[in-house]
Amino acid sequence: DADVTQTPRNRITKTGKRIMLECSQTKGHDRMYWYRQDPGLGLQLIYYSFDVKDINKGEISDGYSVSRQAQAKFSLSLESAIPNQTALYFCATSGSGSTGELFFGEGSRLTVL
Amino acid sequence: DAKTTQPTSMDCAEGRAANLPCNHSTISGNEYVYWYRQIHSQGPQYIIHGLKNNETNEMASLIITEDRKSSTLILPHATLRDTAVYYCIVSAPNSNSGYALNFGKGTSLLVTP
Repeated sequence: DADVTQTPRNRITKTGKRIMLECSQTKGHDRMYWYRQDPGLGLQLIYYSFDVKDINKGEISDGYSVSRQAQAKFSLSLESAIPNQTALYFCATSGSGSTGELFFGEGSRLTVL
Repeated sequence: DAKTTQPTSMDCAEGRAANLPCNHSTISGNEYVYWYRQIHSQGPQYIIHGLKNNETNEMASLIITEDRKSSTLILPHATLRDTAVYYCIVSAPNSNSGYALNFGKGTSLLVTP
């Protein structure tokens, strides 16, 4: 089983719908992150969390919200999806005592029609 | 975080060394250099990181210039499986954003038979 699991892997939805992408990890890491990747571009940070009670906005948080339900779970929500949120979304984790290595999930491809 | 500049694309013959450059002229004293790669649309994979000294692991070597304004990632014997986008990132792991790395567009490396 993967250390960082994202669900769903693929989702097609309509404009205005609420969408939740879920991420769970078995690495015991404190820190979790959500990134977005548009075709041909690098990754942009949406939100990150250092522990259950800590949530921080990244560079492109508008239109998104997150929930850290437990140390191992970090969910990303789109309250009212719009077409320009069509992208590949990645969850990542890192340990607070690590040397900076991020562990990524396999991605969730979201299409908003 | 300091910005990085990488070539958009590079080619390398299979079996040869692939040398991927990165400029980070505004790097701060507490910032590390990290390298990740992304194969097709999979989650990025950590390769190596360093502060001042050259580093080597089972995947690659990292050469950092004495003034730390640039670095080179070396894949000593490139294989077709090394075809990927390579990201050079500088970040201070003990900053407020921890390891919330900012990925740019990276270098698209094509390894040819």
